[in-house]
Amino acid sequence: DQQVKQNSPSLSVQEGRISILNCDYTNSMFDYFLWYKKYPAEGPTFLISISSIKDKNEDGRFTVFLNKSAKHLSLHIVPSQPGDSAVYFCAASEVEYGNKLVFGAGTILRVKS
Amino acid sequence: DAGVIQSPRHEVTEMGQEVTLRCKPISGHNSLFWYRQTMMRGLELLIYFNNNVPIDDSGMPEDRFSAKMPNASFSTLKIQPSEPRDSAVYFCASSLPRDRYNEQFFGPGTRLTVL
Repeated sequence: DQQVKQNSPSLSVQEGRISILNCDYTNSMFDYFLWYKKYPAEGPTFLISISSIKDKNEDGRFTVFLNKSAKHLSLHIVPSQPGDSAVYFCAASEVEYGNKLVFGAGTILRVKS
Repeated sequence: DAGVIQSPRHEVTEMGQEVTLRCKPISGHNSLFWYRQTMMRGLELLIYFNNNVPIDDSGMPEDRFSAKMPNASFSTLKIQPSEPRDSAVYFCASSLPRDRYNEQFFGPGTRLTVL
């Protein structure tokens, strides 16, 4: 039973437009959410995070939105750039369980120039 | 800092053989994680350690898998005997415990192919 789901295996966006990546979770005890980015032949790297007490966190071109009632979060990239092409993983944790993260299956983002 | 170091980067072996993957975490990090990435299931946590002690191994698929952390700077993941379905990319990650961002730093991964 996957507690974190990324239902879109891939997404293709034109350079300069907005990319929206979605993530759903089932465990209402999750209180911290993160996005990781992964390039081929490299390990995932941390991108942005949000605590459950917030509904939005922004860092430059990247914004994460959290809708607790819907158990849904999304990552917005504006404007999208070809260098953003990568696999994006959504992850969630319960602070009570320390640093244990539960990851989704990932979404492949392709930004076309 | 060199980051998390994993070896080997690629491993090709035959079914039934023993495979040992190695990881050196970032110096000063007290938590270490082993993940497996597959197309179908994405990133799965296999096991994690805090201060060299295994905390949660519920993700280890079966008894063929074992992990050790003999000291703060080294960990191994062993598969014995290996099977074709074990083919995947295995990542090691480390973090500071109770880091408020829960950020984990990943190594480059070991691509395992079992023929």
